[in-house]
Amino acid sequence: DSGVTQTPKHLITATGQRVTLRCSPRSGDLSVYWYQQSLDQGLQFLIQYYNGEERAKGNILERFSAQQFPDLHSELNLSSLELGDSALYFCASRLFRDTGELFFGEGSRLTVL
Amino acid sequence: SQQGEEDPQALSIQEGENATMNCSYKTSINNLQWYRQNSGRGLVHLILIRSNEREKHSGRLRVTLDTSKKSSSLLITASRAADTASYFCATAAIIQGAQKLVFGQGTRLTINP
Repeated sequence: DSGVTQTPKHLITATGQRVTLRCSPRSGDLSVYWYQQSLDQGLQFLIQYYNGEERAKGNILERFSAQQFPDLHSELNLSSLELGDSALYFCASRLFRDTGELFFGEGSRLTVL
Repeated sequence: SQQGEEDPQALSIQEGENATMNCSYKTSINNLQWYRQNSGRGLVHLILIRSNEREKHSGRLRVTLDTSKKSSSLLITASRAADTASYFCATAAIIQGAQKLVFGQGTRLTINP
């Protein structure tokens, strides 16, 4: 158990809909990362937050947004969903801003029909 | 892109044999990390090697880093069926003041009993 909790574990929705994925980082970790893993794209970095502020951005679509709250949990919002958004979405956390290992949650599997 | 690329994409060996996976990357890095992922699960950190280190050991794992060739290798000795998983290298570099940890596509390792 990594200590990182993601909900929901599975989500099935239709094209055009909006979903919110939630992540609770390990106790004390200030950095939260979001990754998307699909079969043909591998593990893609989406966005990083550190202590409530956006720290780095990767290949995150404009239809996606994220935030980190004062209690350090984070949410990833996916809107106007398309079939291609079907993937595993991982949250990871670590104590420090720019160094050290990442602790991954078990992921949220999103299926868009 | 600084994305690491693992080689081979898939590897199948007999239990007890050694497994070697390679990772190449494109830009200067601060450190390189290896992660393991069991099917459909979250990634688990295995080992981190800094840019000024050449070799590191952890149990049955041995990681080497050659910064002149921009490559790393992960050796698993005396493999076991439980080592069956995907293995990813992740390169860490500071870009625009923020560290991004970028993952390769992974090597799918199968250990046959």
